[in-house]
Amino acid sequence: ETGVTQTPRHLVMGMTNKKSLKCEQHLGHNAMYWYKQSAKKPLELMFVYSLEERVENNSVPSRFSPECPNSSHLFLHLHTLQPEDSALYLCASSQQTGAGELFFGEGSRLTVL
Amino acid sequence: DQQVKQNSPSLSVQEGRISILNCDYTNSMFDYFLWYKKYPAEGPTFLISISSIKDKNEDGRFTVFLNKSAKHLSLHIVPSQPGDSAVYFCAASDSTDINNNDMRFGAGTRLTVKP
Repeated sequence: ETGVTQTPRHLVMGMTNKKSLKCEQHLGHNAMYWYKQSAKKPLELMFVYSLEERVENNSVPSRFSPECPNSSHLFLHLHTLQPEDSALYLCASSQQTGAGELFFGEGSRLTVL
Repeated sequence: DQQVKQNSPSLSVQEGRISILNCDYTNSMFDYFLWYKKYPAEGPTFLISISSIKDKNEDGRFTVFLNKSAKHLSLHIVPSQPGDSAVYFCAASDSTDINNNDMRFGAGTRLTVKP
C-alpha cells in the first residue's frame, strides 16, 4: 500500500457541480497539504494542516474548501469551479510542518468544463 | 513572486552522459533544498536534499551542489539512464521560520535521456 493515496485519479466536472477529492496517508505523519499544479507552473501550496488544524490558507478562493477529519485523511471539496481551475491537485504529507521531505500522492487530474 | 526558478524547461541527454539540472533562488533565508522527480501520472517523489551548511551531497548517481553566494544549486546525474527521464523539481524552504509551511517549488525541468 502506497504512503499517500488520492482518489479519484481523474475527475471531470461542470461548473455547477459539487465534488470532493480525497487523500489518505499511511505514514503516521502529522502534517498534510494540498498543492495545485498547473501546466508549466510551479507547484502552488493551497492548504496546510498540522495535527488536523488548518495552519495556512494561501489565499485560495472559497470555491475550494478543505476538510481534515483526522491526521490520516484530507479532503478538498469543490463547488462552482471555473475552467481555469483545471489542474493536477496533489496531496502531500510530512512528519511535521516546516522543512523536511514531502511525500506526495499520485494526484487528482481535474478538468472543469 | 517566484522565489525558486528553473530556467530550463527541458533537457535532453545521451545515455551514459552527465545530466545537469539547474535551479536558482532569490530568498537568502532558504537553508534547505530538495530535488523531486516526477514521472507522468505519478506524484513527485523525493530524490535528494542538501542543507545550507554543506555545499555538496551525494547519493549514488545523484549529486546536488549548492552555491550559496550565487543562490544556485544543481543536480548532477551520472551516468544518465533512460529511466531517469522525468520532470525534476527543485524546492527550497527556510527551516528557521517556525511559521513557514510553504516549501517553494520551481516549475520543473523535463529531462529526456536518449538510449
